[in-house]
Amino acid sequence: ETGVTQTPRHLVMGMTNKKSLKCEQHLGHNAMYWYKQSAKKPLELMFVYNFKEQTENNSVPSRFSPECPNSSHLFLHLHTLQPEDSALYLCASSHGQGGPPDTQYFGPGTRLTVL
Amino acid sequence: QKEVEQDPGPLSVPEGAIVSLNCTYSNSAFQYFMWYRQYSRKGPELLMYTYSSGNKEDGRFTAQVDKSSKYISLFIRDSQPSDSATYLCAMSGDQGAQKLVFGQGTRLTINP
Repeated sequence: ETGVTQTPRHLVMGMTNKKSLKCEQHLGHNAMYWYKQSAKKPLELMFVYNFKEQTENNSVPSRFSPECPNSSHLFLHLHTLQPEDSALYLCASSHGQGGPPDTQYFGPGTRLTVL
Repeated sequence: QKEVEQDPGPLSVPEGAIVSLNCTYSNSAFQYFMWYRQYSRKGPELLMYTYSSGNKEDGRFTAQVDKSSKYISLFIRDSQPSDSATYLCAMSGDQGAQKLVFGQGTRLTINP
């Protein structure tokens, strides 16, 4: 499989559940990202990882917990979410080396619904 | 004031028309400007990027950047139904190439 893949594609969870989103990139990149895309809002950057180290946390609530075990995999652990957290969660990757621009390649997203 | 403003549309035009999509921004530090296309149920894909001011052409697509006006445009010539998608502008500065700031996206429909 090529590019950036995300699982699951759809997720429905209650506010007390714990779930995880998974992202895998097959592009040999060193940087990975989580974004949130809500209706009628711009994409919001949540987290950035470079060479497995978190380099950006865009004031994301602690109920979202990222994990990057290696440069190819990225997880987003979810617990005690709120209905307003319902959105499309997109993963992206980029080379993470050299100068800008550092073109980002996106996965198809996980559509999350919090009941 | 949002850093990047983009009219969400929707925009509907007949096949073959020239489409103009635009974004304005407020941060003068932005140097890299990108246009992403997002089809329904898919992630965004990079369509074009430009550095600083000027034009860039790729097939039926032309990107323009006017830094003096803080205004960027994407033109689509000879539009096709397959161009129907949401178009997102994004931009970053030299020191934050990984920190893209996106516009809201414009939903475009090309009618056969």
